[in-house]
Amino acid sequence: RKEVEQDPGPFNVPEGATVAFNCTYSNSASQSFFWYRQDCRKEPKLLMSVYSSGNEDGRFTAQLNRASQYISLLIRDSKLSDSATYLCVVTLNTGNQFYFGTGTSLTVIP
Amino acid sequence: NAGVTQTPKFQVLKTGQSMTLQCAQDMNHNSMYWYRQDPGMGLRLIYYSASEGTTDKGEVPNGYNVSRLNKREFSLRLESAAPSQTSVYFCASSERQRYEQYFGPGTRLTVT
Repeated sequence: RKEVEQDPGPFNVPEGATVAFNCTYSNSASQSFFWYRQDCRKEPKLLMSVYSSGNEDGRFTAQLNRASQYISLLIRDSKLSDSATYLCVVTLNTGNQFYFGTGTSLTVIP
Repeated sequence: NAGVTQTPKFQVLKTGQSMTLQCAQDMNHNSMYWYRQDPGMGLRLIYYSASEGTTDKGEVPNGYNVSRLNKREFSLRLESAAPSQTSVYFCASSERQRYEQYFGPGTRLTVT
């Protein structure tokens, strides 16, 4: 069983749409959670950390549901520049236990 | 402020050859990491270093060795490259006990 699972998509949405991604994790001892963004043939870049109380950064909102073991990312008012692959990351807060999802591909269409 | 840098950007090796991938960070981070990324697999941790002189295995360490030369530099060595090691390799760093990682631009390695 994979540690982290994401719907690979692709998600194709028009500009201005709202889109949501979910990511499930298997280890209930997981401690820290993140969303990264990866553009084609580039390195992953930290988008936001995910806190138990949920957090928002502009058009992006991240939520954590420990009971159901999933994290979510909501993007409002999608821009063309949001087109990328979004990776969820789960760690047990030990240095050598980081688990990345395979990513969800988003294309925002004009 | 360059962040995390990696060399080389691209490399082609023949089976059995050896090489070292270099990584350096200028953010004064204690922790450094090596990952590989393969299609459909996501990033997988190869090795981790919490501080100078310490290293720990990650999820896929077989066929690799690492050296944490100093606080800034963390190198990954392939002693005898195999086609299964064809991948994109990313180095990352983070502050101790803050697990937000910052990645280098990657090395695309092909083993023929």
